[in-house]
Order: sequence, then C-alpha cells, then structure tokens
Amino acid sequence: DVVMTQSPLSLPVSLGQPASISCRSSQSLVNSDGKTYLSWFQQRPGQSPRRLLYEVSNRDSGVPDRFSGSGSGTDFTLKITRVEAEDVGVYYCMQGTHWPPVTFGQGTRLEIK
Amino acid sequence: QVQLVESGGGVVQPGGSLRLSCAASGFSFSTYDMHWVRQPPGKGLEWMAFIRNDGATEYYADSVKGRLTISRDNSKSTLYLQMNSLRVEDTALYYCARAGTWHWGPGTLVTVSS
Repeated sequence: DVVMTQSPLSLPVSLGQPASISCRSSQSLVNSDGKTYLSWFQQRPGQSPRRLLYEVSNRDSGVPDRFSGSGSGTDFTLKITRVEAEDVGVYYCMQGTHWPPVTFGQGTRLEIK
Repeated sequence: QVQLVESGGGVVQPGGSLRLSCAASGFSFSTYDMHWVRQPPGKGLEWMAFIRNDGATEYYADSVKGRLTISRDNSKSTLYLQMNSLRVEDTALYYCARAGTWHWGPGTLVTVSS
C-alpha cells in the first residue's frame, strides 16, 4: 500500500499569514495515464471532509484562490497564501493512483495562533 | 445539488452486525461509482470499500475484508454497507462518498461496545 506522510501534523498560523503543508508518498503517484491522482481535503470542526484540490493543483468549484497545490512524483505541497479564520481544521492529502486501497495522510491540524 | 445522507449507525455489541445506508439525490446515482470511508473518533480518514456504478466490481480494505459487504440499489439511489463480526476497533463515523468528485455525506456513527 502507498503510505502518505504529512508534515507538520500541527500548524499554528497567525491570521493573514501564509501556511504550507507537505505530503510525501512512498512511491511515485504518476499514473500510467500520465495523470497524478493526488487530492487535498479540508475538514472543518464538526463537518465532513471537503475536497479542495485534485490532480495536484486543480481547485474544486467554490474553493478560494488562496489555496494552491503543487508538486510531482512523491512530494506535494498545499499552500494557503493568507490564512483566514474559516481555514481552521484538519487537512488531508489522499492518493488515488495506486488503489485499492485509496490512502490518506495522517492529517495536519491548522489552528490560529 | 449532490446530497448524500447516511443512516443505520448505532451501538452494537462486539460480534454483532449493522447495515448502513446512504441515500443519494441530486445526481444520477446509477452512473457513479461510490466509496465508504470511516473516521474513528478524533482520528484520521480510512478508506473502507468501493463499488462500481453497476455493482459489478467491489474492493475492500484488508482490515475489513470478509466482514464488510458493499452493495447498491440503483433503483432506490441507495448505497449499503453490511457490517458483520463487528469489533471495538470498528467504532467510527462512517461516510459514503461519490467517486471522482469526492462529495461526502455527514456520516453515521457506529459504536461497538459491550
């Protein structure tokens, strides 16, 4: 199974400051079709997860453009340009290239400093 | 809009069974593959099972293989998860999710306890 490792696991950030979360996979996530099936999810307190980005860098509908994704192969990053209060929650990366099983990172808890 | 609503959770003793349901609306259910994902209290997300849109293909996490069965009734736009031989470690919030776009329901809580 592909292991997804996120860092940091806890991320205190001041309002208006940038934030960055790393996600590394135990093997390359480039699929045989040339696409990289790496997604990012946000889970606000008490809510279900919501997908923010798919195929590394494509934002889902309604996702603010302060969220961006980058990376390739085994190393990926989620960046928030200016953290807002509504961004508090846990962020997960997920791979859908080598499945089953679909695998998630451990989660990164973003809090306001 | 896409709506998924899980039900059927509750408290069950170790070794017991439960059947979870996921009612779908707002989209053509029969054309979408579906997943079940669970989240133990205070912990991360764990993928459980997948079923193809026509029900012809199923995949399971190794941790639940042989104990969980995913199924669907496209005429009722409903996804199911039959859970047998439940263990304390199966205690979690169970979500259904639409494959591809990864829309999630609010989840249903399963508690396995004596």
